[in-house]
Amino acid sequence: AQSVTQPDIHITVSEGASLELRCNYSYGATPYLFWYVQSPGQGLQLLLKYFSGDTLVQGIKGFEAEFKRSQSSFNLRKPSVHWSDAAEYFCAVGGAWFGNEKLTFGTGTRLTIIP
Amino acid sequence: DTGVSQDPRHKITKRGQNVTFRCDPISEHNRLYWYRQTLGQGPEFLTYFQNEAQLEKSRLLSDRFSAERPKGSFSTLEIQRTEQGDSAMYLCASSKKRGPGSGRAGSYNEQFFGPGTRLTVL
Repeated sequence: AQSVTQPDIHITVSEGASLELRCNYSYGATPYLFWYVQSPGQGLQLLLKYFSGDTLVQGIKGFEAEFKRSQSSFNLRKPSVHWSDAAEYFCAVGGAWFGNEKLTFGTGTRLTIIP
Repeated sequence: DTGVSQDPRHKITKRGQNVTFRCDPISEHNRLYWYRQTLGQGPEFLTYFQNEAQLEKSRLLSDRFSAERPKGSFSTLEIQRTEQGDSAMYLCASSKKRGPGSGRAGSYNEQFFGPGTRLTVL
């Protein structure tokens, strides 16, 4: 069964500092990987995705993530955070079983930005 | 393209009452998913439709839960005899099954999420 682990429940970062959110996955084949962001009371917005090819993927809002097969990781990074980046971040893995492409999410990392 | 919409956005009910939520997917999206998100957790898969056919249900979906997608467009999720443990955010997502694409990138159909319905059971 597929699973996702986000080891950091809560991270606090100063505005302008760099950010790295960790994600480890378990999946039997090459996974489809995603990072979503959720602001309070809102649905999920896709930041970026990895399907194949270049292991460093660029997303919206200046985010990037690197797929490392040897470490089963897909960490999210941003060189300089903004106060508006404060939100909950979810890593997810997707598969395809007879058409059902359900996503399995991690428990999320809550990001707090301090001035 | 107005995105996935869900109604209502918030629902407060008393234990034992029935509630129904609606999801309107992006037009022409033939796949629809329901997820449940409890406090401090990531969303968890509940059920999946392709057109009007419900093809998979999670074990999380007890007998009190029923979902329909009668014409392959909007979907409803009903919870009967609500319990306090049903309090959660219910998220709907839709995707469009594309034809065979080139390489692996064409073999997964991205899901677009609605804003969710937050259910509070008192």
